[in-house]
Amino acid sequence: DIQMTQSPSSLSASVGDRVTITCRASQSIASYLNWYQQKPGKAPRLLIHAASSLQSGVPSRFSGSGSGTDFTLTISTLQPEDFATYYCQQSYSTPPTFGGGTKVGIK
Amino acid sequence: EVQLVETGGGLIQPGGSLRLSCAASGFTVSSNYMSWVRQAPGKGLEWVSVVYSGFTTYYADSVKGRFTISRDSSKNTLHLQMNSLRAEDTAVYYCARGIAVAVDSYYFDFWGQGTLVTVSS
Repeated sequence: DIQMTQSPSSLSASVGDRVTITCRASQSIASYLNWYQQKPGKAPRLLIHAASSLQSGVPSRFSGSGSGTDFTLTISTLQPEDFATYYCQQSYSTPPTFGGGTKVGIK
Repeated sequence: EVQLVETGGGLIQPGGSLRLSCAASGFTVSSNYMSWVRQAPGKGLEWVSVVYSGFTTYYADSVKGRFTISRDSSKNTLHLQMNSLRAEDTAVYYCARGIAVAVDSYYFDFWGQGTLVTVSS
C-alpha cells in the first residue's frame, strides 16, 4: 500500500494568514492526489482533486500543487470557517490511502 | 441534489454482526463507484471497501473475510454487512461516492453524515 505522510500534524494560525500543508507519498503517484476538509462531527468535504483542480463550490483561496511524491495545499488568506482538519488521499492505486491529517487551529 | 444517509450503527458486542445501509438520492448508486470509509474516535480516515459500477469489490485487509459490501438497485441503497466484529472496528462509518479517474483510481466527491458503530462488551 502507498503510505501518505502529512506535515505538520497540527498548526496554529490567525485569520488572514497564509497556510501551507504538505503531503508526501511513499512512491510516485503522478497527480493522483486529493485534499479534504473535515470539521468536528462532520463528514469530510472534497476540496481539490488531481492535485490542483478545485472542486465546484470551493473558494478560490484554496489551491493545490505538486506531482510525483510531494504535494501542497495552500490557503491564501485563512478565514474563520477554515479552522478544521485537512487530509490528503492518493487515488493512484487500490487501496486508496489517506494522510494522517493536519489540524489547523486558532492562534 | 446528491444526498447520502447512513443508518444501522449502534452498540454491538465483540463477535457480533451489524448491517449498515446508505440511502442515496440525486444519483444512481449502481452507476457509480461506492465506498465505505471509517474513522475511529479521534483518528484519521481509513478506507474500508468499494464496489465498482460493475460488480467488482475490494476490501481493506483489516476487514477482508468479515465485511461484505453490496447494493440494492431497487432501493438505490448501499450496504455493509459486518460480521465477527472486533473492538478495533469501533468507528464512524461513512459512505461516499467515488469518482473514477481510471479503473482502480477514484476519489470521493460526496459523503454521508456517518453512523457510529461501537463494539464493546
